[in-house]
Amino acid sequence: SQTIHQWPATLVQPVGSPLSLECTVEGTSNPNLYWYRQAAGRGLQLLFYSVGIGQISSEVPQNLSASRPQDRQFILSSKKLLLSDSGFYLCAWSVRTSGRETQYFGPGTRLLVL
Amino acid sequence: AQTVTQSQPEMSVQEAETVTLSCTYDTSESDYYLFWYKQPPSRQMILVIRQEAYKQQNATENRFSVNFQKAAKSFSLKISDSQLGDAAMYFCARSRTYKYIFGTGTRLKVLA
Repeated sequence: SQTIHQWPATLVQPVGSPLSLECTVEGTSNPNLYWYRQAAGRGLQLLFYSVGIGQISSEVPQNLSASRPQDRQFILSSKKLLLSDSGFYLCAWSVRTSGRETQYFGPGTRLLVL
Repeated sequence: AQTVTQSQPEMSVQEAETVTLSCTYDTSESDYYLFWYKQPPSRQMILVIRQEAYKQQNATENRFSVNFQKAAKSFSLKISDSQLGDAAMYFCARSRTYKYIFGTGTRLKVLA
């Protein structure tokens, strides 16, 4: 069966510090991978998605970037965090076919920027 | 605009009763999927039910069922025999190619 891991689970960082959140998927090959952000009490906002190694699509201009160095690894980064980067970050994967398939989510990372 | 609207920010239901959560969406596509996700206090998103737009039959998963009205672009979730563990945020979502569009969520409270 497939599983998706995210770490760390919780992170408190000062403004201006760098960020690296990692997501890995097990039990599947060639998945589509996604990064979402959820502000407190709000819905999910798609940040990035990837359909293959080194292929990253950005949905909104922001202070963040994403990379996919391996087939089942997706990393969310920032060089300098802003207060507005605080939120709950969710990674998700789906089978890579038409792009309409079910997305399965990881446990998420709570990020607090102070 | 390609949007998903959940007009009920909060709903309450008595334990063992039935509740329906509403969702409407906008799309110009003919082939898409619709989803309901549950987000408990742990905040992990859990798939509740999925509906393919080309299927006329409404999807069901145990106590969960949907009322899919394609022409009206409506996709409501019915929870039967509500349980305390059903208390959570519920999000409706519509797929586009490689992208999901989520509604703003409905908080469901289950009263003992």
